[in-house]
Amino acid sequence: EAGVTQFPSHSVIEKGQTVTLRCDPISGHDNLYWYRRVMGKEIKFLLHFVKESKQDESGMPNNRFLAERTGGTYSTLKVQPAELEDSGVYFCASSQGREAFFGQGTRLTVV
Amino acid sequence: GQNIDQPTEMTATEGAIVQINCTYQTSGFNGLFWYQQHAGEAPTFLSYNVLDGLEEKGRFSSFLSRSKGYSYLLLKELQMKDSASYLCAVRGRSGTYKYIFGTGTRLKVLA
Repeated sequence: EAGVTQFPSHSVIEKGQTVTLRCDPISGHDNLYWYRRVMGKEIKFLLHFVKESKQDESGMPNNRFLAERTGGTYSTLKVQPAELEDSGVYFCASSQGREAFFGQGTRLTVV
Repeated sequence: GQNIDQPTEMTATEGAIVQINCTYQTSGFNGLFWYQQHAGEAPTFLSYNVLDGLEEKGRFSSFLSRSKGYSYLLLKELQMKDSASYLCAVRGRSGTYKYIFGTGTRLKVLA
């Protein structure tokens, strides 16, 4: 069974540009989460989808971040325009029960 | 506020036993999770505690005391492959599924 997959694994963009991260959850998992780890800090929650609905987006930093999950399958997280402080590793996770299963993350570097 | 503390780094010898502590202060409690993360890889689920006591799973055990806001992960018969970061995460109040993470403990196993 395929795990949670994220694309791209790395992205380097200039300040002001736009980047879109993609997450494919484990098939059949209704819950999808986005987390972010800024260097030296803990992994922090961004938002939670149940199927295609946003259940909790309390962790989204500001309106430069837009997450979608059309059709309740894969999800995208767009950062527009990117700022230097957006650099970090963005993790996606999915669950259909007790524990969440994580992807390898997308390392985003804004220069 | 919500806070999870764990040591930043630990070192142990192959074949030994190591205990990684985690203390937490959260608004509500709905389970404590331990994840293992090798560098550049996805965090992988190790254990889950929601009631007080010890949960054993092979070489790994996890303990929880809700009254003390305390957990530990015990790794026995350490192997070189156990060198990784160990993440303590708490799921807050009932009805929410997001994790609150500690910064993680980097464990180095020496030959």
